Amino acid sequence: DIQMTQSPSSLSASVGDRVTITCQASQDISNYLNWYQQKPGKAPKLLIYDASNLETGVPSRFSGSGSGTDFTFTISSLQPEDIATYYCQQYDNLPSYTFGQGTKLEIK
Amino acid sequence: EVQLVQSGAEVKKPGESLKISCKGSGYSFTSYWIGWVRQMPGKGLEWMGIIYPGDSDTRYSPSFQGQVTISADKSISTAYLQWSSLKASDTAMYYCARLWAMDKFDYWGQGTLVTVSS
Repeated sequence: DIQMTQSPSSLSASVGDRVTITCQASQDISNYLNWYQQKPGKAPKLLIYDASNLETGVPSRFSGSGSGTDFTFTISSLQPEDIATYYCQQYDNLPSYTFGQGTKLEIK
Repeated sequence: EVQLVQSGAEVKKPGESLKISCKGSGYSFTSYWIGWVRQMPGKGLEWMGIIYPGDSDTRYSPSFQGQVTISADKSISTAYLQWSSLKASDTAMYYCARLWAMDKFDYWGQGTLVTVSS
């Protein structure tokens, strides 16, 4: 099974800060990686697919990069409404959809 | 507008059976896989399995194989997740989600909270 390791597990930042979350796969998954946002009490929402593509309607301050085993998710300028937990998810070797353990983002 | 509407919260006792549902609308229900995802209290997301309503082809995560049954009734655009004998450890929020091209969960239901307690 492919394991996904996210870091950090929690993060506190100020409004306007640049925020970066990393996700590491236990083996090469090419660009088969998505990022989701889950606000408290809500269902997850797809933000980034295929490692770097922005889902329709998602603000451009969100971005993703990487391939192989190392991936990065970035918020260029943190906004108050970005408070949420963020998850990476791989889809190599279908059907297999392992999620990372999540990164809880809080406002400082 | 694509929508997935899940059935309401359930409170059950250990050993009881349960079937929760996920009704799709606003798209061709038989043309996209539907997945089920578990979120235990305060924990992360776990993929449980997927079903293709067009022919009921079903695939399970090894972690959930034999623990749950996923099914679908394409005549009413509804997918199901069921347990034959619930355990306290099944207490969780369960989400259904549409799977686009078998790689991204692009639309999600609102979740169904299942509480199992004696």
